[in-house]
Amino acid sequence: DAKTTQPPSMDCAEGRAANLPCNHSTISGNEYVYWYRQIHSQGPQYIIHGLKNNETNEMASLIITEDRKSSTLILPHATLRDTAVYYCIVRVFYGNNRLAFGKGNQVVVIP
Amino acid sequence: DTAVSQTPKYLVTQMGNDKSIKCEQNLGHDTMYWYKQDSKKFLKIMFSYNNKELIINETVPNRFSPKSPDKAHLNLHINSLELGDSAVYFCASSRRQDTGELFFGEGSRLTVL
Repeated sequence: DAKTTQPPSMDCAEGRAANLPCNHSTISGNEYVYWYRQIHSQGPQYIIHGLKNNETNEMASLIITEDRKSSTLILPHATLRDTAVYYCIVRVFYGNNRLAFGKGNQVVVIP
Repeated sequence: DTAVSQTPKYLVTQMGNDKSIKCEQNLGHDTMYWYKQDSKKFLKIMFSYNNKELIINETVPNRFSPKSPDKAHLNLHINSLELGDSAVYFCASSRRQDTGELFFGEGSRLTVL
């Protein structure tokens, strides 16, 4: 699976949109972008995934660039409970489930 | 009801002991996993079972032995515990083996003294 690059940490203002970037310049055509997050002392939580179209669910929106080399996870109205490590993962959709979690992006929502 | 539940949540034991961690999912999923998160917070897959059959076995010492009595349960037994086994162990499940949407338990923190 292709590797991803995320900033190690970032702060976001409570109530504002949080835009979390991810680079995956070596992504191949059959690989999807997945986002998970891990709130302190809890298990990872699936957020969203996409191939090339923008995706939205009740938790977040995923914007993937046209060349698919990068993506942005958007938390529309960040709350203090969104403070977590966010993981951007690339994997083949129907592949085996070796989800490769990197170091992630420690996001802190500030009041 | 907790979807993926693990017991115990905390486990403190001496080197050389044998211990088990149990996991149960009530989601009706076919596939279950064990992940290990070390002190540097890296999360790595150890094992995966699909309908009680082992499908992923990463390079894990054979002191670690998973067992799946049925597709709702996946237990992890560790023999001859070592200091380096100290970590948080997460159980997870997914609807099928080829989906990327995993549901994780709350983790079991193992401390080996």
